[in-house]
Amino acid sequence: DAGVIQSPRHEVTEMGQEVTLRCKPISGHNSLFWYRQTMMRGLELLIYFNNNVPIDDSGMPEDRFSAKMPNASFSTLKIQPSEPRDSAVYFCASSKAGLGANVLTFGAGSRLTVL
Amino acid sequence: GQNIDQPTEMTATEGAIVQINCTYQTSGFNGLFWYQQHAGEAPTFLSYNVLDGLEEKGRFSSFLSRSKGYSYLLLKELQMKDSASYLCAPPWDDKIIFGKGTRLHILP
Repeated sequence: DAGVIQSPRHEVTEMGQEVTLRCKPISGHNSLFWYRQTMMRGLELLIYFNNNVPIDDSGMPEDRFSAKMPNASFSTLKIQPSEPRDSAVYFCASSKAGLGANVLTFGAGSRLTVL
Repeated sequence: GQNIDQPTEMTATEGAIVQINCTYQTSGFNGLFWYQQHAGEAPTFLSYNVLDGLEEKGRFSSFLSRSKGYSYLLLKELQMKDSASYLCAPPWDDKIIFGKGTRLHILP
């Protein structure tokens, strides 16, 4: 089992550019979560999907952020246009069943720096 | 909503015992998770308390009191590799909300 796979691991971009982060969940897991981590705010939940359907996107900061899950093995988080305050580590995590008692497995994260 | 409170940093000595407390206010929750996160790495699962009381797993134990909105993580026989952040996470409905974490420093 390769675990949750995220790409890119690191991205440096300039303000105004589009950023796309990718995630492949563990096979058989039917829930997928996107988190953002900064020193100031800790680990924040942005959005999560159950069976490829977005359930709660209340954590998405603003319209510049969007997430998709076209199939059970792939999800993207897009920021357009990016801003310096979006600099953070973005984690994708997956779990089975989608109920609160299920353990999250995190990917290694994508470290985004917006200049 | 959730108000999750845990100390920002703690320091302990190798071989000692440390207790990391977490208080929270949340609704519709089911138990409480603890995750460990080493610097520069992703969080990893440590423990889950679904009922009140103490759950022991090797050197680590976790306690939960749902009526008091209180949990703690107890680490025994501390090792240098235990230097990490420890994140308290009470699930809310079917999502998991994390506290900001407690950064634990272990001194030799």
